[in-house]
Amino acid sequence: DTGVSQNPRHKITKRGQNVTFRCDPISEHNRLYWYRQTLGQGPEFLTYFQNEAQLEKSRLLSDRFSAERPKGSFSTLEIQRTEQGDSAMYLCASSLVVRLPVGETQYFGPGTRLLVL
Amino acid sequence: AQKITQTQPGMFVQEKEAVTLDCTYDTSDQSYGLFWYKQPSSGEMIFLIYQGSYDEQNATEGRYSLNFQKARKSANLVISASQLGDSAMYFCAASPRETSYDKVIFGPGTSLSVIP
Repeated sequence: DTGVSQNPRHKITKRGQNVTFRCDPISEHNRLYWYRQTLGQGPEFLTYFQNEAQLEKSRLLSDRFSAERPKGSFSTLEIQRTEQGDSAMYLCASSLVVRLPVGETQYFGPGTRLLVL
Repeated sequence: AQKITQTQPGMFVQEKEAVTLDCTYDTSDQSYGLFWYKQPSSGEMIFLIYQGSYDEQNATEGRYSLNFQKARKSANLVISASQLGDSAMYFCAASPRETSYDKVIFGPGTSLSVIP
């Protein structure tokens, strides 16, 4: 078990460019979450997947954002036509939901720090 | 809608002393889960402790305990015997269902500094 990994760890891009981040969850975890964290703030929920199905999207996830988890394993988060306001840390987390009513525990990756110039 | 309030932007504590980090939440849900996470300067979020809204006993995990007062809607984190490695940001969070992380909301965080 190597934990949740995210790539790249850092990304600098120019405004208007597209960027894609990847998250590899802990193997056998069926849920995968994306969060955004700006400086001095707590993480904000963006979206999550149960296996390959995207079950919830925050209103923070504008049309320029798209997330996929095609085979229920790794996930990608793409931002099109980046804006300076997209600069943030993008965190991925995974969890295993096996049975209710036990609460699940999320395990976070190290994040991808995006800077849009 | 849920809202998490952490009124202490920064806290200092002497090594080996106990410290309480405040958290209040605002929710209309009948069932919800409360969490605390630690985020050191490396950036990774580390799960510390979980409390379900129907749990009658306060959750404890090693040196961490959650002082859950449902009527006051507070979920304070108590760290006993502080260590230098406890210096980090601490986030309180809540999910609208006791058993799921759907739509989890994080508070703004408290920065804890442990003084030798």
